[in-house]
Amino acid sequence: KQEVTQIPAALSVPEGENLVLNCSFTDSAIYNLQWFRQDPGKGLTSLLLIQSSQREQTSGRLNASLDKSSGRSTLYIAASQPGDSATYLCAVLDDKIIFGKGTRLHILP
Amino acid sequence: GAVVSQHPSWVICKSGTSVKIECRSLDFQATTMFWYRQFPKQSLMLMATSNEGSKATYEQGVEKDKFLINHASLTLSTLTVTSAHPEDSSFYICSAKAVATEAFFGQGTRLTVV
Repeated sequence: KQEVTQIPAALSVPEGENLVLNCSFTDSAIYNLQWFRQDPGKGLTSLLLIQSSQREQTSGRLNASLDKSSGRSTLYIAASQPGDSATYLCAVLDDKIIFGKGTRLHILP
Repeated sequence: GAVVSQHPSWVICKSGTSVKIECRSLDFQATTMFWYRQFPKQSLMLMATSNEGSKATYEQGVEKDKFLINHASLTLSTLTVTSAHPEDSSFYICSAKAVATEAFFGQGTRLTVV
């Protein structure tokens, strides 16, 4: 059974810092991995999608990497801003989509 | 990216009544749809997976008679919460995907049962 774990559960950093969010999964037979952000009480915003054949994806200040063999992905956020404050969710797709519990990120002005 | 429309975005109902939530893929044919629920400050929990034209597969612990899922067409799936009770109050999100594509998510439905 696929399990997705995100570390840390919560993170507070000063504005401007670079940070890394971690995601691990137990079954490496995935089709893709996706990072989302969720603002309080809102739906999901897709940030980056990495296909199983890819190693990383970049969008603006965001970079996500995928190491299938070790069952790990990281989301790197450069030059963090207060607007980045949200919950970040990692999800893997094999025959279904399984989410981690998320990392609550708070950027301190 | 593709668009998934979920309706309603919020609903308040009386205890004992049933509520239907719709999930539509607007510009693609969704062969598979997923339904999730999310309690406050918790992650999304998969409730069931439905493939067009077949019965939904429910996750362990999810009552299929309480959460009726219908995926009658390639663009529409519905989740009906039957005989809703306050403990069913939650945020429900659907997701839709075509074969060999990424999944796209609706914006969610906040259900409050009073």
